[in-house]
Amino acid sequence: AQKVTQAQTEISVVEKEDVTLDCVYETRDTTYYLFWYKQPPSGELVFLIRRNSFDEQNEISGRYSWNFQKSTSSFNFTITASQVVDSAVYFCASYNFNKFYFGSGTKLNVKP
Amino acid sequence: GAVVSQHPSRVICKSGTSVKIECRSLDFQATTMFWYRQFPKQSLMLMATSNEGSKATYEQGVEKDKFLINHASLTLSTLTVTSAHPEDSSFYICSAREEPGYTFGSGTRLTVV
Repeated sequence: AQKVTQAQTEISVVEKEDVTLDCVYETRDTTYYLFWYKQPPSGELVFLIRRNSFDEQNEISGRYSWNFQKSTSSFNFTITASQVVDSAVYFCASYNFNKFYFGSGTKLNVKP
Repeated sequence: GAVVSQHPSRVICKSGTSVKIECRSLDFQATTMFWYRQFPKQSLMLMATSNEGSKATYEQGVEKDKFLINHASLTLSTLTVTSAHPEDSSFYICSAREEPGYTFGSGTRLTVV
């Protein structure tokens, strides 16, 4: 079975600060995918990134960056120069064999 | 990008009645859709996998007679909460696979009074 842990329940930052959301996963599978989704107050889940287990390259997309470290089973997400619109709950998830395993989510509050 | 349309977004029903939630894939076909339930301030829990033209696969602990799933076409899956009770109040969200990730609907907030 797979398990995803997001130890940070809630984080509050002031606008323009950088913030890192942690994600640690457990799996016995050699092939798997890791995802990050954003859930704004409206409720929908917005896809941010997918990583497969064979690709440890870090990724940057605008103010977002992801650090995938298989050695520590972590897939952390950093928002640079945070903005109020980044306020949401962020979910990390692992995926294999047609099943998602979601972490408990981290609520990010960005204050002006 | 791919869009999954979910309706209604909010519904309030009386205890004992049934409620149907629709999940449609727009501009793509989804042979498989997934139904999740999310309690307040908690993560998403997979309830069932909906397969077009065949029976849904339910996760352990999910009552299939209570949560009826129908996937009659390649673009539509429905979840019917039968004989709803207050403890069924929750946020229900569907998803379908569309590369590079899975696309989720906007969710349905069900309140049973």
